Amino acid sequence: DVKVTQSSRYLVKRTGEKVFLECVQDMDHENMFWYRQDPGLGLRLIYFSYDVKMKEKGDIPEGYSVSREKKERFSLILESASTNQTSMYLCASLMRNSYEQYFGPGTRLTVT
Amino acid sequence: QKEVEQNSGPLSVPEGAIASLNCTYSDRGSQSFFWYRQYSGKSPELIMSIYSNGDKEDGRFTAQLNKASQYVSLLIRDSQPSDSATYLCAVNLNTGNQFYFGTGTSLTVIP
Repeated sequence: DVKVTQSSRYLVKRTGEKVFLECVQDMDHENMFWYRQDPGLGLRLIYFSYDVKMKEKGDIPEGYSVSREKKERFSLILESASTNQTSMYLCASLMRNSYEQYFGPGTRLTVT
Repeated sequence: QKEVEQNSGPLSVPEGAIASLNCTYSDRGSQSFFWYRQYSGKSPELIMSIYSNGDKEDGRFTAQLNKASQYVSLLIRDSQPSDSATYLCAVNLNTGNQFYFGTGTSLTVIP
């Protein structure tokens, strides 16, 4: 079974803080993704990575950055958290030449 | 804009009935189509994928794809209360790794 884990299930941060969300997958997948999910807006892609040190912007990259130094780990960074970044953040992984994503449990981030 | 549209519901069906969930997409280049189930407070779980026109059956689930009409649906036969969840439709253009999700349809199966 593919396992995707995220560092925290719930996180509360203050406006202006730098926030790190970590995602780890154990199936040697090349592709990893960060989404946010908001009521009425569905899942929106923030960034994805198709290889170590490679990254591509998704639909809503503003205010976020990512890091992929190792194949199994993909980090999402909020440089200066704002209240409009309060959301559920979901990480996913995907094997190359496959189209079946596997999601982590999610991190519910609240920025106050 | 790559749009995936779903009726947000809520859709309510009695136990044992057929639940029908619908999804339309705007980009004719879409090649791969997926249905995810998401229980409240949980992450999405892939339940069906379909790549060619027609029907694909897996247990109580049937996915239907009509590329000419840009329409994909999910039928759940003999609906159970445990099927109560939000169902997300997703598409992929096969030109990259980007997936586009609908906002989901909330399904409630009434015992």
